[in-house]
Amino acid sequence: DIQMTQSPSSLSASVGDRVTITCRASQSISSYLNWYQQKPGKAPKLLIYAASSLQSGVPSRFSGSGSGTDFTLTISSLQPEDFATYYCQQSYSTLGVTFGQGTRLEIK
Amino acid sequence: EVQLVESGGGLVQPGRSLRLSCAASGFTFDDYAMHWVRQAPGKGLEWVSGISWNSGSIGYADSVKGRFTISRDNAKNSLYLQMNSLRAEDTALYYCAKNYDSSGNWYFDLWGRGTLVTVSS
Repeated sequence: DIQMTQSPSSLSASVGDRVTITCRASQSISSYLNWYQQKPGKAPKLLIYAASSLQSGVPSRFSGSGSGTDFTLTISSLQPEDFATYYCQQSYSTLGVTFGQGTRLEIK
Repeated sequence: EVQLVESGGGLVQPGRSLRLSCAASGFTFDDYAMHWVRQAPGKGLEWVSGISWNSGSIGYADSVKGRFTISRDNAKNSLYLQMNSLRAEDTALYYCAKNYDSSGNWYFDLWGRGTLVTVSS
């Protein structure tokens, strides 16, 4: 199975900050990497697919980059509604997709 | 309205079985692969199983392989998860999720609210 490792596991930041979350795959997954946001008590929401494509309706302050094994999710200017947990997910291995362990983004 | 509604969760003893259902509406169900994703209390997301639009491709996480069976009924716009030999570590909120598109690339753009499964004696 392909393992996905996110860093950091948690992060404190302030409104207006630029934030970057990293996701590393245990083997090359090309650009088959997706990002989700989950708020407490809610289902996850797709933010970014195929490493860098912005899902419809997602604010442009969210962006994704990377290929191969190393990927990043960047929030250019944090808004109050962005404090949540973020997960990466590989879709390279179709019959065995896996998520990262999550990054909890908290208010400083 | 485009939505997924899960049902069938509850409290079950270790070793017993449970069947989850997911009712889809607002989109052409048989155009898309469908999935189950779970989240143990206070933990992260774990993909459990996925099934292609025509049930021709099915995948399972290693943690449930041989115990869980995914199926779908396109005529009823419904997805199912038969869970046998349940263990305490299967305790989680189980989400039904729709695949983003019709390709074999599995990621999820529509989620239900989840149904809670608790395995305990």
